[in-house]
Amino acid sequence: DIQMTQSPSTLSASIGDRVTITCRASQSVSPWLAWYQQKPGKAPKLLIYKASTLQNGVPSRFSGSGSGTEFTLTISSLQPDDFATYYCQQYDNYIWTFGPGTKVEI
Amino acid sequence: QLQLQESGPGLVKPSETLSLTCTVSGGSIYSSDHYWGWIRQPPGKGLEWIGNIYYSGIPYYNPSLKSRVTMSVDTSKNQFSLRLNFVTAADTAVYYCARNIEVTTNFDYWGPGTLVTVSS
Repeated sequence: DIQMTQSPSTLSASIGDRVTITCRASQSVSPWLAWYQQKPGKAPKLLIYKASTLQNGVPSRFSGSGSGTEFTLTISSLQPDDFATYYCQQYDNYIWTFGPGTKVEI
Repeated sequence: QLQLQESGPGLVKPSETLSLTCTVSGGSIYSSDHYWGWIRQPPGKGLEWIGNIYYSGIPYYNPSLKSRVTMSVDTSKNQFSLRLNFVTAADTAVYYCARNIEVTTNFDYWGPGTLVTVSS
């Protein structure tokens, strides 16, 4: 099975910062990589799919890139609403796997 | 607007069976473009995919849970269900149901989640 890692596990940042989160897979999952945002007590929200496609309604400060085994989620200018935990998710051969998450805190 | 809602007991005894249902509204579960999935999240921990099921009833399970999981779909009620056998405290989690898009493999609509506690 494909294993997913995310780095960092926790990220401290300030309003206006550029933030980058990395997701790595143990083997190629390209292009089936998605990113989600989760706030406490809420269901995850889809941000990015197919590695770089922005979900409808998601602010353009969010972007995704990468291929093969390494992918990144970038927030170009961190806003107060962006403090949350972010998860990557891959698909391969009828198995869906989530990364361990990255908490973005003040 | 598609909506999903989980329902089922919030408390299950160890060694018994956890049963949850997800009711889909605002759209049909009878769709060749989507899977319907279950994902869980233990308190304070990350997300774990449990399984997906196609409208035809074909299931796909997480290998680590496959021996204990059964998923089913009822297109007449626009619902799909999860059964997890022989539960332990480690199965205590918020359980989410979600729609999965077949062509892009991501989950786009989620239910609010329901907490299931395994305790005697």
